Amino acid sequence: NAGVMQNPRHLVRRRGQEARLRCSPMKGHSHVYWYRQLPEEGLKFMVYLQKENIIDESGMPKERFSAEFPKEGPSILRIQQVVRGDSAAYFCASSLGTGVFGTEAFFGQGTRLTVV
Amino acid sequence: SQQGEEDPQALSIQEGENATMNCSYKTSINNLQWYRQNSGRGLVHLILIRSNEREKHSGRLRVTLDTSKKSSSLLITASRAADTASYFCATDARSGGGADGLTFGKGTHLIIQP
Repeated sequence: NAGVMQNPRHLVRRRGQEARLRCSPMKGHSHVYWYRQLPEEGLKFMVYLQKENIIDESGMPKERFSAEFPKEGPSILRIQQVVRGDSAAYFCASSLGTGVFGTEAFFGQGTRLTVV
Repeated sequence: SQQGEEDPQALSIQEGENATMNCSYKTSINNLQWYRQNSGRGLVHLILIRSNEREKHSGRLRVTLDTSKKSSSLLITASRAADTASYFCATDARSGGGADGLTFGKGTHLIIQP
């Protein structure tokens, strides 16, 4: 059972271009989370999705950022018109469910976005 | 300040010694999780402790949780060079299926000197 797969591992974009980050959750997991880790900082929650639904996007910037988790295929985090401040590591995690006491979240290796 | 703050920020010890890292948080939680991140790699889940648990063990790891003090500690016994990594605590404050996600601290960078 493969773990959470993210691609690409490294992505370089020029200012103004679009960045598309992909995340395939663990088999059987229908809950996907995206986190951003800025240099020297901890991870910050961005968005929580279930299949075809955005459940919570309270951590996502209002402009230029969007996320989807279609019925078929990976979850996509899309950043339009990237700026230097978007340079960070973006981690995707998946879980089996939430539940009152929560369940373990399994993380991918991350995508390191560099905006030049 | 943020939920889930680790202390110390950096820790350097000799191989074989025990390493203790602490985490404090501010709001009520359902569970607290510890993760390890090796340099340039993704996060690895180490252990989850629920709010109604006080202590949990996994191999050389021991985690305690004190909800009255809103704090947790991670103890790594008999440290090895391979334990060198950043360690993050993450709090899960979701209830009834709510979706705030995990909140991570900035991490403790642990260096094990051979």
